[in-house]
Amino acid sequence: GAVVSQHPSWVICKSGTSVKIECRSLDFQATTMFWYRQFPKQSLMLMATSNEGSKATYEQGVEKDKFLINHASLTLSTLTVTSAHPEDSSFYICSARPRIQETQYFGPGTRLLVL
Amino acid sequence: QKEVEQDPGPLSVPEGAIVSLNCTYSNSAFQYFMWYRQYSRKGPELLMYTYSSGNKEDGRFTAQVDKSSKYISLFIRDSQPSDSATYLCAMSANNFNKFYFGSGTKLNVKP
Repeated sequence: GAVVSQHPSWVICKSGTSVKIECRSLDFQATTMFWYRQFPKQSLMLMATSNEGSKATYEQGVEKDKFLINHASLTLSTLTVTSAHPEDSSFYICSARPRIQETQYFGPGTRLLVL
Repeated sequence: QKEVEQDPGPLSVPEGAIVSLNCTYSNSAFQYFMWYRQYSRKGPELLMYTYSSGNKEDGRFTAQVDKSSKYISLFIRDSQPSDSATYLCAMSANNFNKFYFGSGTKLNVKP
């Protein structure tokens, strides 16, 4: 149990285009989902926290207009990187916290390469 | 001072060794403690979850929490090359939407 999927697993796009990444909790309902970014050989960097049906809370320094987060249901959250640039290339990982559980389960990650 | 401190390693051990991974923290309000394993280019996988102080065992893994010392440990017995990964500790207080992660310890188990 407690499986989180992400799609796509990797994506290559041209500079200036937008990319959408989906995060789904497959076998549980997630009241909260988190989006992280990870650079090579570095730890996780929390970008934003989203609760179902409400606006995401972004960490300091993360542009909310560039990284659009939608948490439309208890099993789905999306991250859209708008007008992507090469510096947005990174490994993006989502996680989901089940109801009444004090932990989070991570997706497999999405590798984004912006050319 | 960071909320959670974790030695980045790398830690290199021979196959079959007992591995000890540790984190220290500063916030006495932390109640929930987690260990994740992350393989290269993969998302972290939850290994152990504990509440408050004490020990928890799952197969070759034992998680230990000492709240009086603000110190948590993960022990891996009979380590295998497949255990080679980065291990992240994480913790939270009563606000379940705020988790604090260590920077991760890279473990290499040599055959």
